[in-house]
Amino acid sequence: NAGVTQTPKFRVLKTGQSMTLLCAQDMNHEYMYWYRQDPGMGLRLIHYSVGEGTTAKGEVPDGYNVSRLKKQNFLLGLESAAPSQTSVYFCASSFNAVTSGNTIYFGEGSWLTVV
Amino acid sequence: AQRVTQPEKLLSVFKGAPVELKCNYSYSGSPELFWYVQYSRQRLQLLLRHISRESIKGFTADLNKGETSFHLKKPFAQEEDSAMYYCALNDYGQNFVFGPGTRLSVLP
Repeated sequence: NAGVTQTPKFRVLKTGQSMTLLCAQDMNHEYMYWYRQDPGMGLRLIHYSVGEGTTAKGEVPDGYNVSRLKKQNFLLGLESAAPSQTSVYFCASSFNAVTSGNTIYFGEGSWLTVV
Repeated sequence: AQRVTQPEKLLSVFKGAPVELKCNYSYSGSPELFWYVQYSRQRLQLLLRHISRESIKGFTADLNKGETSFHLKKPFAQEEDSAMYYCALNDYGQNFVFGPGTRLSVLP
């Protein structure tokens, strides 16, 4: 059981380049999330999805786009990378977030550096 | 809006000493509270949740609704406890809210 997997794990981008981070989960979870982790800032939610075909903005959505074409995949796109987007990105999933007893599961993280 | 605060960015204790990582939350209802741990270069993983009332790796946490706190405690810290700890809540809305994290360093 792979859980939540992210690709790529490491990437260096030049300012202005675009890229897509892929997240896949095999737990049949409805909800998926993208967080970024920065020193002193903790985890901040970028975008999330409550089901296939849906997306919503989180706390820090600017400069990112997402798509959830398939239930098991959640893509995070950077259209024009900026140095401020240098961070560690974590994908996560949960069965849902509206009833008791749910837990959120995380991927291993993707280290992105924008130069 | 709901918030989770962790006042200490870094907490250093000696091996065998008691440790308490503080977490406070703001929420008008009754949220679910969690502690997640992230060991060096690993993914975040669930440590414990308040509804389970369990002790994991010697850690316990009690939800105090009056003080809106969910502090994480361990009577005798071990070096392998060194990690980043995140407090989080689920307000039964659309997502989980995480605190800024506390880095625990257990010194030999």
